[in-house]
Amino acid sequence: SQTIHQWPATLVQPVGSPLSLECTVEGTSNPNLYWYRQAAGRGLQLLFYSVGIGQISSEVPQNLSASRPQDRQFILSSKKLLLSDSGFYLCAWSGQEISGNTIYFGEGSWLTVV
Amino acid sequence: AQSVTQLDSQVPVFEEAPVELRCNYSSSVSVYLFWYVQYPNQGLQLLLKYLSGSTLVESINGFEAEFNKSQTSFHLRKPSVHISDTAEYFCAVTPRAGAGSYQLTFGKGTKLSVIP
Repeated sequence: SQTIHQWPATLVQPVGSPLSLECTVEGTSNPNLYWYRQAAGRGLQLLFYSVGIGQISSEVPQNLSASRPQDRQFILSSKKLLLSDSGFYLCAWSGQEISGNTIYFGEGSWLTVV
Repeated sequence: AQSVTQLDSQVPVFEEAPVELRCNYSSSVSVYLFWYVQYPNQGLQLLLKYLSGSTLVESINGFEAEFNKSQTSFHLRKPSVHISDTAEYFCAVTPRAGAGSYQLTFGKGTKLSVIP
């Protein structure tokens, strides 16, 4: 069966510091990968998605970036965090073999920028 | 493009009472429909989905949702709620094919609070 893991689960970072959140998927190959952000009262916002290694699409211009160095690894980064980057970040995946383009989520990472 | 409206941001309900969480969507193309549940401080879990066939779909924990094409709705119901159902529920859609078919559009969520 497929599993998705992301880490760290919680992170407190000062303004201006870098960020790296990692996500890996097991049990499938060539998944579509996603990073979402959830801010209080604003629902879920798609930040990035990737349909293959090195292929990244950005949905919202911001100081975050994403990379996909391996087929089942997706990384969310920032060189300098802003207070507004605080939130709950969710990695997710979907696969060719999954009907209805169903997307499955990781457990999330809480980021607090202070 | 698609959009999803969840009409209620918060729904309090007494334990063992029925509940309906409303979801309406807008799309110029055919869509798949989903309900996700998020328990406090956790990621989203798929609750149920409508792909094709019977318009009534059920989850393993007693929730059901009915796809109504004419009203562009996908309301979530449960005849008798438990304390453990307290969570936030998200409705989502994705196009069946074409551009954006690998992306979900979410509603803003409905917080269900079950009162003992």
